Amino acid sequence: SQKIEQNSEALNIQEGKTATLTCNYTNYSPAYLQWYRQDPGRGPVFLLLIRENEKEKRKERLKVTFDTTLKQSLFHITASQPADSATYLCALDETGGSYIPTFGRGTSLIVHP
Amino acid sequence: DTEVTQTPKHLVMGMTNKKSLKCEQHMGHRAMYWYKQKAKKPPELMFVYSYEKLSINESVPSRFSPECPNSSLLNLHLHALQPEDSALYLCASSHVDREFTDTQYFGPGTRLTVL
Repeated sequence: SQKIEQNSEALNIQEGKTATLTCNYTNYSPAYLQWYRQDPGRGPVFLLLIRENEKEKRKERLKVTFDTTLKQSLFHITASQPADSATYLCALDETGGSYIPTFGRGTSLIVHP
Repeated sequence: DTEVTQTPKHLVMGMTNKKSLKCEQHMGHRAMYWYKQKAKKPPELMFVYSYEKLSINESVPSRFSPECPNSSLLNLHLHALQPEDSALYLCASSHVDREFTDTQYFGPGTRLTVL
């Protein structure tokens, strides 16, 4: 069966460190993978998209990598700040699929001052 | 304008009530979505409208009735809900054409509590 797996345990890190979140998938051939941020009680906010033929994407302090061999995406936040504390969701859509992404359950990031 | 708005922010209703959730976007997106999200779970797709026509209904109970009056508006009519329907209801919009990024723009959500 198809699965998108994100670590269900919260990631606790110290301010200034790099946070690394993982998204693994099974039985998908993604055309792209997206990362969203969600604050409690709010809708997800799009952060970054990486396509199947891209290895890495950057935006300010954010970096996403995509390894289709390992079936994994890593999401990095460098110089993390307490304001980065939120849940981060990955979402993917398959090659030849609909235009509607399927979401993982997300990983909670807590950055301590 | 890159915003999706939703009203109300919070809604408490009894099991016999009829209420509606509203969503609006002015980004020219021709796909609009309703999702349901429970705590610590991913958004769960309920309905998709493409060019104002219902294109996907993910086997949602008939007590939820979507409506897309025009390309900017999306409603979700609620009737005879159950307490287990309490959740965060999210509206989203996107381009339909896969040449675009397929990015979903979400509204802030409506927190629904069914008593």
